[in-house]
Amino acid sequence: GAVVSQHPSRVICKSGTSVKIECRSLDFQATTMFWYRQFPKQSLMLMATSNEGSKATYEQGVEKDKFLINHASLTLSTLTVTSAHPEDSSFYICSASIGGPGTEAFFGQGTRLTVV
Amino acid sequence: ILNVEQSPQSLHVQEGDSTNFTCSFPSSNFYALHWYRWETAKSPEALFVMTLNGDEKKKGRISATLNTKEGYSYLYIKGSQPEDSATYLCAFIRANDYKLSFGAGTTVTVRA
Repeated sequence: GAVVSQHPSRVICKSGTSVKIECRSLDFQATTMFWYRQFPKQSLMLMATSNEGSKATYEQGVEKDKFLINHASLTLSTLTVTSAHPEDSSFYICSASIGGPGTEAFFGQGTRLTVV
Repeated sequence: ILNVEQSPQSLHVQEGDSTNFTCSFPSSNFYALHWYRWETAKSPEALFVMTLNGDEKKKGRISATLNTKEGYSYLYIKGSQPEDSATYLCAFIRANDYKLSFGAGTTVTVRA
């Protein structure tokens, strides 16, 4: 199967700082990647769709100025949590698909963000 | 937010026993249903992509069924082994935008 690599796997940052999370497709090109967030004992919630070469589309209720997404190449999407606060502490995970819409998703390993 | 429910939230199974659990989803605007297995410290991996009402898919000792009219899917594990211990996620894909809506998962622990 295809490989998606996400980095870092864990990060602790101080309140008010920004954190960048990278998501790379290692053996395929991904024009679209997806960013999810998961709170404890809850489901993966789609935050935004990252589109190569254009602006990301955000789900309702997700602040685009707080969660900056850049998809500058066909193999890399980044999520930057700006001016992080303790309530941003969560698990973030990315995915991409090789086939068309609705096909099997390939996930990164996820990033556990703790804001202190 | 779409209502995708998985039950039970967790279950413990004795090695060698069989088990099953449920994913329920909206019965309208259906495009596909995915099942993923998510082992601790690893990435979720797809088990099945199901698109047709009445679909039955099998991979080794794991199988799944799909009922799109009533909005549910079952995942079965036959003769559970410790390596089956994982969280199993289902994801409903809606036809108008193909976005994935996940359930919260069923965490299976197989006791040797």
